[in-house]
Amino acid sequence: KNEVEQSPQNLTAQEGEFITINCSYSVGISALHWLQQHPGGGIVSLFMLSSGKKKHGRLIATINIQEKHSSLHITASHPRDSAVYICAVLVYEEKLTFGTGTRLTIIP
Amino acid sequence: DARVTQTPRHKVTEMGQEVTMRCQPILGHNTVFWYRQTMMQGLELLAYFRNRAPLDDSGMPKDRFSAEMPDATLATLKIQPSEPRDSAVYFCASGSLLTGVQETQYFGPGTRLLVL
Repeated sequence: KNEVEQSPQNLTAQEGEFITINCSYSVGISALHWLQQHPGGGIVSLFMLSSGKKKHGRLIATINIQEKHSSLHITASHPRDSAVYICAVLVYEEKLTFGTGTRLTIIP
Repeated sequence: DARVTQTPRHKVTEMGQEVTMRCQPILGHNTVFWYRQTMMQGLELLAYFRNRAPLDDSGMPKDRFSAEMPDATLATLKIQPSEPRDSAVYFCASGSLLTGVQETQYFGPGTRLLVL
């Protein structure tokens, strides 16, 4: 069983819809990252959080340490949000353990 | 606009050849990571350095892979001899660990390696 589980694996939605991607983990962590990988392959770190909630533009990330669960939300989704979203947990200071990713496709 | 750079961006080689990938971390960052991404395994940590010292390379096949930081501006990942199963995208990332607080990691564009 993977230490980091993401759901759903694939998500297709219409432009404007509210998107939620979930991440559950089974180990103790010091922080959690949400990464975005564009179709061209580049990886961008969206958030790093260890408690509560962070917001950047239309993106919101929440984490519940007790429940070992995090969610990434996208409001008013747009086709340019189409990408693979990867959850990664920070174990032992700096080591990242990655989820398998959620492939998001937003249809105009 | 500071960013992590990686060279080469693409590499096609034959089985048995040596492959060297280079990474220039963001100036001032003291932690450098090497990751590998494949369709089957997703993203995996291969090795990482702090202040140029290797901290963990347990993710690397020791017999053929080696990672070094000859200086603060250059990290290298070598595969010798390369095998077709090494075909993957190799990402370098850098970040800072200052007074116990881990900052976010910045990823390079990756080196896409194909071993025939």
